[in-house]
Amino acid sequence: KNEVEQSPQNLTAQEGEFITINCSYSVGISALHWLQQHPGGGIVSLFMLSSGKKKHGRLIATINIQEKHSSLHITASHPRDSAVYICAGTGNQFYFGTGTSLTVIP
Amino acid sequence: DADVTQTPRNRITKTGKRIMLECSQTKGHDRMYWYRQDPGLGLRLIYYSFDVKDINKGEISDGYSVSRQAQAKFSLSLESAIPNQTALYFCATSVTGGAGRELFFGEGSRLTVL
Repeated sequence: KNEVEQSPQNLTAQEGEFITINCSYSVGISALHWLQQHPGGGIVSLFMLSSGKKKHGRLIATINIQEKHSSLHITASHPRDSAVYICAGTGNQFYFGTGTSLTVIP
Repeated sequence: DADVTQTPRNRITKTGKRIMLECSQTKGHDRMYWYRQDPGLGLRLIYYSFDVKDINKGEISDGYSVSRQAQAKFSLSLESAIPNQTALYFCATSVTGGAGRELFFGEGSRLTVL
């Protein structure tokens, strides 16, 4: 059983669309991270949150502790948002989802 | 300069060869990790180290070994590479303890074993 599950696995959107990626996690995870990986590139941390909501530019991350669920939203999506988005949980160690591959079409 | 640096970035080798991937960090973090990434499987932990004298196996350590030469350096070795070790390898660092510890990744080392 994976401690972190994310969906969808793949997502294609038209430029300008509102995008949501979902992540659910199991007991024992106390903080949730959203990571971004561009093709051929490294992995960068977008958000780390243990409660509430965080916003950075067009990206918004929310977490519902009771439901053990987090979402990453992208408003007014742009082709440069095309990347793999990875949800990760912090418990005794780090637990990673399998990633959501996002393609934004102009 | 990147805070977490991996070398080499790309390597093609043959079955049976010994390969070392090196990682160095300037963040001053105690904890360092090696992960491999395969399509559809996400990041899997190979080895981790909480300080120079502390080395721990991750979920997929078979066929790999590591060395923590200093707080800032953590190397991953494949003693006898095999084709199913073809993958993208990431080194990462984090601060000690706490739920809010953030992971910082290197840029990845793409290894192809023929």
